[in-house]
This record gives sequence, C-alpha cells and structure tokens, in this order.
Amino acid sequence: DTAVSQTPKYLVTQMGNDKSIKCEQNLGHDTMYWYKQDSKKFLKIMFSYNNKELIINETVPNRFSPKSPDKAHLNLHINSLELGDSAVYFCASSHGAGGGETQYFGPGTRLLVL
Amino acid sequence: GENVEQHPSTLSVQEGDSAVIKCTYSDSASNYFPWYKQELGKRPQLIIDIRSNVGEKKDQRIAVTLNKTAKHFSLHITETQPEDSAVYFCAASTRGNTPLVFGKGTRLSVIA
Repeated sequence: DTAVSQTPKYLVTQMGNDKSIKCEQNLGHDTMYWYKQDSKKFLKIMFSYNNKELIINETVPNRFSPKSPDKAHLNLHINSLELGDSAVYFCASSHGAGGGETQYFGPGTRLLVL
Repeated sequence: GENVEQHPSTLSVQEGDSAVIKCTYSDSASNYFPWYKQELGKRPQLIIDIRSNVGEKKDQRIAVTLNKTAKHFSLHITETQPEDSAVYFCAASTRGNTPLVFGKGTRLSVIA
C-alpha cells in the first residue's frame, strides 16, 4: 500500500538522451510536486501541480517538462540530458496546494548522466 | 521570496546527549514550519511540524520551538540514539500556493 511511488528507482543514461520518470500517489491528494536533490543534499522544488494544473514552475530549464494526466499522477520528462542533471528526483504530494500542507515524498529516482 | 538558513550543517553528539538544530526564515508571513528526517538513501519523512499560532510542540523525544518575533525555529532531540543519525531539514512556507522552502540540511551523527 505504497503512498507515493516512483519509477524507475535508478536511471543511468548518456548525455543528450531523453528520459522520463513517473510518479503516482494513492492518497487521494490534489497536489503533487517534483523536487531535485543535488549531491550536497539540497532539496529544491521544481514544479507543483494542483488538480492537473501547473501552479509552481521554479526557473527550471525548459528541457524539463512535467505532465499530469490525472491528479494521482505526475510525470517528468527530461530532454537532452546534461551532466548537471545528475541528482535524485523526488516526487511528493499533499492534500491541498496551500503552503501549510504536509508533503509526503516518494522514494526518489537516482539519475546519473554519463 | 522566503529564505531559510539552517545551522549547523553537521552535528556529532554522543548517544544519550541532546541535539539542537536551528533555522531562521526571512518572510514574516510564513506560518508553517515542518521538519523532515532523511536517512541515508531514503526519502525525506516528516517528523514534526509547528504552525505560527503555537510556540512549542513535543512528540516524545522530539520538540520544536518557534520564535516569531526573531523569525527562528529549532528542533530539539533528547536522549539521542544511533537511529537518530540522518540528515534533518527544516522548511517554511506561507498560505496560498507558495512552495515549501527548505534549509540546506543538518547531518546528525549519534556516536554510540
């Protein structure tokens, strides 16, 4: 009964490739997020969707394109991968979009770009 | 926008001692302050949170205090155990569609 799940868990790929990461939550939450955690462990928000609508887009290169087919899923597609994209990507969800909502994180996808 | 500073970046304590991690925030409108624990290779997990209408909150060995005037909040862990070793993140946010802003994390090592 995993609450927030992500696939794949690990992703190793070459520079220039395009890859996707999938996220699903079964908590009935309305809001989902993507975070990037770099090698220094800094957690930075990338995107937020509320009921399939984009509400936060934090100065992320347009090579990154999120897509929410329904409110339980938020996928992340990355074009033309670069070395600097290597990081752990966490999906999260919360009941609502308000800043005071508890966020529940997925297990993370470890992306390594060679 | 909100800026959250967290100190120290690393902290080593002897098992049984207390650990304190401090965060400051810049936006006086911030009203929600969660703390997350991230064990090695795992996801961040909420351990305690506090809202701006409360000055202190406790849950067993963990407590969080909030000083709105000074715009800082702290995590206190008493009687530390080796399983408390992890990276701890503070965060702050306001109402509305504003994102959680995280501190840079504190790596806590509890030495047995």
